[in-house]
Amino acid sequence: DQQVKQNSPSLSVQEGRISILNCDYTNSMFDYFLWYKKYPAEGPTFLISISSIKDKNEDGRFTVFLNKSAKHLSLHIVPSQPGDSAVYFCAAYNFGNEKLTFGTGTRLTIIP
Amino acid sequence: NAGVTQTPKFRVLKTGQSMTLLCAQDMNHEYMYWYRQDPGMGLRLIHYSVGEGTTAKGEVPDGYNVSRLKKQNFLLGLESAAPSQTSVYFCASSNTRAGAGAVNEQFFGPGTRLTVL
Repeated sequence: DQQVKQNSPSLSVQEGRISILNCDYTNSMFDYFLWYKKYPAEGPTFLISISSIKDKNEDGRFTVFLNKSAKHLSLHIVPSQPGDSAVYFCAAYNFGNEKLTFGTGTRLTIIP
Repeated sequence: NAGVTQTPKFRVLKTGQSMTLLCAQDMNHEYMYWYRQDPGMGLRLIHYSVGEGTTAKGEVPDGYNVSRLKKQNFLLGLESAAPSQTSVYFCASSNTRAGAGAVNEQFFGPGTRLTVL
């Protein structure tokens, strides 16, 4: 049972435009949501997070939006740059069991 | 400061062979984790440790054992490898939870690509 879902396996965006990556979850008990970025042959690296009590968190070009009623979050990257080409994983954290549950990932390709 | 390192980077095993994957972190983190990544599956937690001398099962623990004899090291063992264990294995570490309002960011190693024939 996939508690965290990323329904788009891939996404291509023109350089300079906005990239929007989506994530849905089923467990309303998650306390934090995180986005990780992964380049080939490297481990995932933390990008940005949002508490379940917030609806938006911004860090430079990256903004994460959380819609708790829809159990949906999204990562906005603007403007998109070639170095943003990577696989992005959505993850959800539960303080109770201290576990991080990952989505399946979305491969973002920025077209120059 | 090397962060999280994993040894080896690649390995090919025959069915039934055993091996140990080593993870080391130099950030003095309490928590350490082993994940596997398979196509279309995301990262799944195998085992984790909340401190030296402790281990606990994650989502997919069968066929694996772990040990945390030293705070900086977390070992993942495969006693009798099976083709279903072909995967990329990631180790991660994190601080203990700082409290409400803090996020438990995990730092990942570069991964070990294991093929079981």
